[in-house]
Amino acid sequence: EAGVTQFPSHSVIEKGQTVTLRCDPISGHDNLYWYRRVMGKEIKFLLHFVKESKQDESGMPNNRFLAERTGGTYSTLKVQPAELEDSGVYFCASSHLARGNEQYFGPGTRLTVT
Amino acid sequence: RKEVEQDPGPFNVPEGATVAFNCTYSNSASQSFFWYRQDCRKEPKLLMSVYSSGNEDGRFTAQLNRASQYISLLIRDSKLSDSATYLCAAAYSGNTPLVFGKGTRLSVIA
Repeated sequence: EAGVTQFPSHSVIEKGQTVTLRCDPISGHDNLYWYRRVMGKEIKFLLHFVKESKQDESGMPNNRFLAERTGGTYSTLKVQPAELEDSGVYFCASSHLARGNEQYFGPGTRLTVT
Repeated sequence: RKEVEQDPGPFNVPEGATVAFNCTYSNSASQSFFWYRQDCRKEPKLLMSVYSSGNEDGRFTAQLNRASQYISLLIRDSKLSDSATYLCAAAYSGNTPLVFGKGTRLSVIA
């Protein structure tokens, strides 16, 4: 079974530019989560989709972040315009509704804003 | 106070040793608990779910103490390949986000 995949693996952009991250969850997993790890800090929750609906976006830092999951399959996370403090590793995780907290993580996208 | 706290370590232990990590959580409403393993520059990988009755998987044993609000991970007969950062995570209920600790770094030395 294919795991969670994320693209790109790395992205280096300048402050003020836009970046879009993509996550493909495990097939059949209705739950999709975005997390972020900033250097030296713990992994923190950003938002949660159930199928195509945003279930919880309480962790989104501000309105420069926009997440979508059209059709309930893959998800994108867009940062526009990027700021220096947005640098970090963005992880996507998915889980089956029946075992919701057993989340499986993708390899992450390492974002560097210069 | 952080919601989930772990001793960052590092724990440096010889091969074959037994090592234990604790993780405390502050939210008594937390219902589900997990241990993840994270290798350097890799994603967290689910190691074990932690149940009230405790659970064991080979050399790994996880325990939950609700009264004292902590979970533990015991690794017996440590292998070099066990070297990694171990993350503890809690969730309020099914299908909710995980709250992570910062992780405990383990180095197993030959």
